[in-house]
Amino acid sequence: QKEVEQDPGPLSVPEGAIVSLNCTYSNSAFQYFMWYRQYSRKGPELLMYTYSSGNKEDGRFTAQVDKSSKYISLFIRDSQPSDSATYLCAMSAGAGGTSYGKLTFGQGTILTVHP
Amino acid sequence: EADIYQTPRYLVIGTGKKITLECSQTMGHDKMYWYQQDPGMELHLIHYSYGVNSTEKGDLSSESTVSRIRTEHFPLTLESARPSHTSQYLCASNTGNNEQFFGPGTRLTVL
Repeated sequence: QKEVEQDPGPLSVPEGAIVSLNCTYSNSAFQYFMWYRQYSRKGPELLMYTYSSGNKEDGRFTAQVDKSSKYISLFIRDSQPSDSATYLCAMSAGAGGTSYGKLTFGQGTILTVHP
Repeated sequence: EADIYQTPRYLVIGTGKKITLECSQTMGHDKMYWYQQDPGMELHLIHYSYGVNSTEKGDLSSESTVSRIRTEHFPLTLESARPSHTSQYLCASNTGNNEQFFGPGTRLTVL
């Protein structure tokens, strides 16, 4: 079983829709949670970064972390065609011990927002 | 946002050639990473470094090697490229807050 499981999609939504992207994980040592957006043939771009449980909002994006359920989500409000990309969740136990800040990624969800 | 650079962006090369993929960052980050990503697949860590003269193998076995002689520079080398090495290679570095930023990637094709 993978340490991080991400809803594979693909997702296709109309412009203006609310999008929900989700990941579950099994390693209770994870403390840092990230969402990346990756356009085709580009490197991942850091969208949201959260430490421990709670919510974080940035414009149209909201990240939620529930450590008790080992579940994280990314919500996109008022989705736009420019949001069409692959979204990757990633997690880290931090820089201490033997983790060295290494990230474990989900497999990614392809999102298409059509006009 | 970190400035992290990778060259070349695209490389097509014949079997048996030696290649070096360059990665550099200007932020003074200690921790740097190399990931491999096949089309439509997740990223897999192949090498990482937590400072000058330190390198470690990642979770995915790779025939490549890395070096870290300077903080800003973390090149990856394949001594003898094979078609199975065809993939996208992504370099990243960490801030002090464990935020990890990626370069644009090198898309390698071995014929």
